[in-house]
Amino acid sequence: DGGITQSPKYLFRKEGQNVTLSCEQNLNHDAMYWYRQDPGQGLRLIYYSQIVNDFQKGDIAEGYSVSREKKESFPLTVTSAQKNPTAFYLCASSMRVRRYGYTFGSGTRLTVV
Amino acid sequence: AQRVTQPEKLLSVFKGAPVELKCNYSYSGSPELFWYVQYSRQRLQLLLRHISRESIKGFTADLNKGETSFHLKKPFAQEEDSAMYYCALASGSRLTFGEGTQLTVNP
Repeated sequence: DGGITQSPKYLFRKEGQNVTLSCEQNLNHDAMYWYRQDPGQGLRLIYYSQIVNDFQKGDIAEGYSVSREKKESFPLTVTSAQKNPTAFYLCASSMRVRRYGYTFGSGTRLTVV
Repeated sequence: AQRVTQPEKLLSVFKGAPVELKCNYSYSGSPELFWYVQYSRQRLQLLLRHISRESIKGFTADLNKGETSFHLKKPFAQEEDSAMYYCALASGSRLTFGEGTQLTVNP
C-alpha cells in the first residue's frame, strides 16, 4: 500500500527542547516537502528537498532543520529557536514533474507545553 | 514572487445551490494551478488540476489568465462537499497555497 506516513500523530514538547517529526514515503517520489498549517494562514513552506542529500529553505525555515539521507525519508527537527512551534505539520512528496501535484501525509500536531 | 489569495475564509451555502470558491494569483510565469481539499479528519488531497481540464465530484475550475483567477465552481452543492479548500500555484518545484476557504453546505 503506497503512501506517505507521518509519525507521531500528536507530540508534546516542553519549551527549550528540540523535537523531530518523522516523514516516510514509499511512492518513489524524488521531492519531499514540509509545510506548517495554521488556521487562517493556509499552508506555509518550511523546507523542501528535490533529491537526496540536498534541501532548500522555504518561506519560514527559521527555527527548523531537516536532513535527506535517504530518498524515502525527510525528518523535520523543530528546534528551541522556533518561537511559536505549536502547529499542525504536514509532509508531502511529489514526482519531479510538478503537474501531478503532491501527496500529503496525515500530519503531526505539535503542542509546546 | 508568487502569491495566491482566497478572499473568503468562510463560505456557507444550502444544499442544491451553486457554489463558487474564489482564487486569485500573481505570478510572472506561466501558471500551473491546483485545488486541494481537506475533509474533516482526512488528509489533504488533490481535487483537480487546471492542466487536465477535468471535472471531479462535479467541481470544475477554469484558468482565466486575464483576471489571474482560478475559481472553483459546482452547480449544485452537496452536504458531503463541506470541507476546507485550498488553491495552490506551482512555481519551480514548489507549491504556494492560499489561505483556504472553509465551505459549509447546509441541509
